[in-house]
Amino acid sequence: EVQLVESGGGLSQPGRSLRLSCTTSGFKFGDYAMSWVRQAPGKGLEWVGLVRSKTYGGTTQYAASVKGRFTISRDESKSIAYLQMNSLKTEDTAVYYCSRNIQLWLLDYYYMDVWGTGTTVIVS
Amino acid sequence: AILLTQSPSSLSASVGDRVTLSCRASQAIGTAVAWYQQKPGKPPKLLIHEASNLESGVPPRFSGSGSGTDFTLTITSLQPEDFATYCCQQFDRFPLTFGPGTKVDIK
Repeated sequence: EVQLVESGGGLSQPGRSLRLSCTTSGFKFGDYAMSWVRQAPGKGLEWVGLVRSKTYGGTTQYAASVKGRFTISRDESKSIAYLQMNSLKTEDTAVYYCSRNIQLWLLDYYYMDVWGTGTTVIVS
Repeated sequence: AILLTQSPSSLSASVGDRVTLSCRASQAIGTAVAWYQQKPGKPPKLLIHEASNLESGVPPRFSGSGSGTDFTLTITSLQPEDFATYCCQQFDRFPLTFGPGTKVDIK
C-alpha cells in the first residue's frame, strides 16, 4: 500500500524555521516527483513546491510566495521528502500535505495522485 | 501564473441529481487539468487527470471533459458520499495552481 506520512509540524514564531518530513512507503520513491501543498484554515489548496525525481536530477520548483524561504529536498536512501521552511510568516499557517506526483509524457507535467494526511503548522 | 476560476462556488443538490461543475483557466492549457475531491479534515483525492481520464478506483459516475480554457466535472446520480468540495488543478506550467473549489452540499 502506498503511504505518505507527514511530520514536523507545530507552533513556531515568525522568523523562525521548521522542517517537515514526508516519509513514504509502498512504492519506488526514486521514480516519482514529490510536491508539497498547503491549505490555510478555511481556504483552498496552494501548491508550495516540487522536487523532481532522481532520474530528472531532483531539481526543484517553488511558488512565488515561498521562493527563497522554503527548500524542498529528498533523501533517496530513506524515501523521505523534506520541506525546510525558513523565515516563517504568519501567513504560512496551514495544513501542509505532501503528495506523490505523476509525471506525464516524460515531460515536465505533474499532477498529484496520492496524498498524505497532512501536518499542521501554526506561525504565531 | 495561470488563474483557475470555478463556478459555482457552492451548490445544493439532492441524492440522485446530476451536477456539473465548471473550471476555467486564464489561458489555454490543453488538457493539463486534474480534479480532486476533498472532505473536511481530509486530504484531497484524485478523481480525474488529463481533463477526462478517470483515476483507477473512482466510480464511473464521475467524468471530466474540456480542453483549452474550459473544463467540466460531471457527477451523474449524486451519492451521499459525494457531498464534498471539488477543485481543479492545472499542470500545464509552473507554478502549479488550484481553483478555489466548488462545495457540493445536501439540499
